[in-house]
Amino acid sequence: AQSVTQLGSHVSVSEGALVLLRCNYSSSVPPYLFWYVQYPNQGLQLLLKYTSAATLVKGINGFEAEFKKSETSFHLTKPSAHMSDAAEYFCAVTRGGATNKLIFGTGTLLAVQP
Amino acid sequence: NAGVTQTPKFQVLKTGQSMTLQCAQDMNHNSMYWYRQDPGMGLRLIYYSASEGTTDKGEVPNGYNVSRLNKREFSLRLESAAPSQTSVYFCASSESSDRGRYGYTFGSGTRLTVV
Repeated sequence: AQSVTQLGSHVSVSEGALVLLRCNYSSSVPPYLFWYVQYPNQGLQLLLKYTSAATLVKGINGFEAEFKKSETSFHLTKPSAHMSDAAEYFCAVTRGGATNKLIFGTGTLLAVQP
Repeated sequence: NAGVTQTPKFQVLKTGQSMTLQCAQDMNHNSMYWYRQDPGMGLRLIYYSASEGTTDKGEVPNGYNVSRLNKREFSLRLESAAPSQTSVYFCASSESSDRGRYGYTFGSGTRLTVV
């Protein structure tokens, strides 16, 4: 069965600092991996996805993530945090197939301090 | 605008009352899903429908039923609401082809409180 673990339920960074949100996955087959962002009182929006092409994936709003099979990781990074990045971030995994179910991590709430 | 529409956005129920959460998508997606979101637990799958005419249980189906009315619509019903069902409910849809590479499109959620 697939699963994802997000280390750190709360992360706080200063504006302009590096953002690093951690995600480790478990999957018995090559996975597809996703990062979603949720702004307060809104639904989830797709940030980026890994679907077995390039291991470094670039997404919206300057975020990127690197798929590392040896470490079973898919950490999300952004070189310079902006106040508007404050949100909750979810890592998710699917092994695909007809049912295509996404399994979500428990989320990381990112705070950006001025 | 294309996307997933959920109604209502907010609802307060008394214990034992019933209600149906509505979801519709206009992207011609085959698969639809209902999740609940609770603090510290992420999103947990309640039910899903891989295609029109089929539904299956997810991780937390107890206390819920679903109906895939047609390709566009997928409703979630609480027959006898309990305080433990206080949550934010999200509907999502996706293409079912190509091993899930497209991800999901989410609605804006229904905030349900059961008192």
